[in-house]
Amino acid sequence: DVKVTQSSRYLVKRTGEKVFLECVQDMDHENMFWYRQDPGLGLRLIYFSYDVKMKEKGDIPEGYSVSREKKERFSLILESASTNQTSMYLCASSSPHNPQHFGDGTRLSIL
Amino acid sequence: GQQVMQIPQYQHVQEGEDFTTYCNSSTTLSNIQWYKQRPGGHPVFLIQLVKSGEVKKQKRLTFQFGEAKKNSSLHITATQTTDVGTYFCLYNQGGKLIFGQGTELSVKP
Repeated sequence: DVKVTQSSRYLVKRTGEKVFLECVQDMDHENMFWYRQDPGLGLRLIYFSYDVKMKEKGDIPEGYSVSREKKERFSLILESASTNQTSMYLCASSSPHNPQHFGDGTRLSIL
Repeated sequence: GQQVMQIPQYQHVQEGEDFTTYCNSSTTLSNIQWYKQRPGGHPVFLIQLVKSGEVKKQKRLTFQFGEAKKNSSLHITATQTTDVGTYFCLYNQGGKLIFGQGTELSVKP
C-alpha cells in the first residue's frame, strides 16, 4: 500500500522563522504535490514536481519554495513565516495519470 | 481560462435521502477524478472518468461524465452517516491538477 509520510502532524512556529515541511513517499512516484487547505477555500496547489530537481508553481506559490533533491522526498519551505500561512498543509504523490495519494497533513500555526 | 465550479458548497440531508454534487466546466476536460475527505482526514481517491458519457458505479455511488466532457456528477443513493465528508473533483488545467471547491455533506440520523 502507498505510504505518504509528512514529518509532523502539528507544528507551531513564530513569525519570521524559516519553516521546513517534509514529505516522503515509498512508492517510487514521479509526481509530488503540496497543497494548503483552508475552510471555505478547499485545497489550493502551492507547488508540484514531476521529477527530481524539477518544480513548478501552482496557484499560490508566493511566500513558499520547494526542494526535490531525491525522488522520494519533497520539501516545502516557508522562507519567512507569516500569520497568514497558518493552515493545514497536505502532501500528495502519484505516478503519471494516476490517482493522488495523500499524507495525513501538517497543521501549522504561525504565532 | 478554464473555470470549473463545484456545487453545492454544503448539503445537509436526512439519512436515507439522496445526494448529488456537480462539477461544471466552461471548457472540455480531458478527464476528471473524484475524492472523498472524511472530517479530520485526508482526501482519498474514489474514481477516475475519462470517456464521454461514461457512467461508473461503486455500490450506492454513481459517477457520470457528460457527453461534452464539461460536466461531471457524483450521486449517492440513500445516504448513510458514513457518507459524511467533503467530496472534491480534480481536473487538469494546463498541466496543473486543480481541485474543485468541494461539497461538504452532512447526514442527520
